[in-house]
Amino acid sequence: QVQLKESGPGLVQPSETLSLTCTVSGFSLTSYSVSWVRQPSGKGPEWMGRMWYDGDTAYNSALKSRLSISRDTSKNQVFLKMNSLQTDDTGTYYCTRDRRYFDYWGQGVMVTVSS
Amino acid sequence: DTVLTQSPALAVSPGERVSISCRASEGVNSYMHWYQQKPGQQPKLLIYKASNLASGVPARFSGSGSGTDFTLTIDPVEADDTATYFCQQSWNDRTFGGGTKLELK
Repeated sequence: QVQLKESGPGLVQPSETLSLTCTVSGFSLTSYSVSWVRQPSGKGPEWMGRMWYDGDTAYNSALKSRLSISRDTSKNQVFLKMNSLQTDDTGTYYCTRDRRYFDYWGQGVMVTVSS
Repeated sequence: DTVLTQSPALAVSPGERVSISCRASEGVNSYMHWYQQKPGQQPKLLIYKASNLASGVPARFSGSGSGTDFTLTIDPVEADDTATYFCQQSWNDRTFGGGTKLELK
């Protein structure tokens, strides 16, 4: 069955870089796109960016200067790196299968930006 | 960016019909989708492309609309429907609404 699972550190220092991994199963990264979505506590989700099935990427314009998404198809993994983290980057980070709508989601990883 | 506007909260009694609205700042064709999120859980897809029921979702849920105005309807509402509902568009990349919190009386 389709599954996505995020992994990465739960605590990041201000101004440092966040690195997250999304490991997928049940589908191929060369057939489906994967997006990263984050959600501050008590607020609506925010789309961050997408790894297209063909290897191309797309980013939220508000995050583009700080964000990089890549993948390793041999390991069925998609990676997120975001630099210059601040306290308002605190929230839950999800990876999702992107078919223009998000039909499968990972359980999410809570990231806190704090010293 | 396409901004999606939702009413922040609604309260309804079990067995009633409820309509949750989402207005887009510009036309999104039929590329509007709806999610349900319960506390501590990831969002769950309910409706895709305005009116298509996602797999495993009860037929009590339905969606309608096109262009800028969209509606998610639950009829009849059950106690388990207490949650926050988000709309999301994919005509102009991807954006989400702020969510409508549904409470049962």
